[in-house]
Amino acid sequence: KQEVTQIPAALSVPEGENLVLNCSFTDSAIYNLQWFRQDPGKGLTSLLLIQSSQREQTSGRLNASLDKSSGRSTLYIAASQPGDSATYLCAVRRDRGSTLGRLYFGRGTQLTVWP
Amino acid sequence: EAQVTQNPRYLITVTGKKLTVTCSQNMNHEYMSWYRQDPGLGLRQIYYSMNVEVTDKGDVPEGYKVSRKEKRNFPLILESPSPNQTSLYFCASSLGDRGPNEQFFGPGTRLTVL
Repeated sequence: KQEVTQIPAALSVPEGENLVLNCSFTDSAIYNLQWFRQDPGKGLTSLLLIQSSQREQTSGRLNASLDKSSGRSTLYIAASQPGDSATYLCAVRRDRGSTLGRLYFGRGTQLTVWP
Repeated sequence: EAQVTQNPRYLITVTGKKLTVTCSQNMNHEYMSWYRQDPGLGLRQIYYSMNVEVTDKGDVPEGYKVSRKEKRNFPLILESPSPNQTSLYFCASSLGDRGPNEQFFGPGTRLTVL
């Protein structure tokens, strides 16, 4: 069974810092990996999607990398802002034909950026 | 607007009273899923569907039923709800085999079972 771990569980930083959030997974046979943001009591917003054949994806101040062989992904947030405060979740999709619909989530990193 | 909608958004019910949470997407997606989110446990997949009339169990299917009679709809049925099914539920959809399979989530349904 795929296990997804996110470290750290919580992070509190001053505005302007560059951050790295980590995600690791136990089964390297993945189809893709997706990073989400979740605000308290709200739904999930997709941030970045990396296909298994890709090494990284960028969107604005966000950069996500994927090392499939070692089972790791990182989300890099540049010049953090208070509006970045949220929980960040990573999810991996299984690459197993009929179970392609299976998605496994980490428990998230709760980020607080203070002014 | 491309979206996944869920209804109701909030529901308080009593043990044993059957209920259905609806989910609909307007993106012609093949894949649809249901998740529950609980403090300390994160998001766990309940059921997923890879096409009409094709459904399969996720990590926590006990106590739930689903059906996929049309491509756009994927209702979640609790035949006899119990207090341990109090949770925040999310429906999600993605394109399918032919696409990148980016997941799009609905706004969530907060269910309380007394």
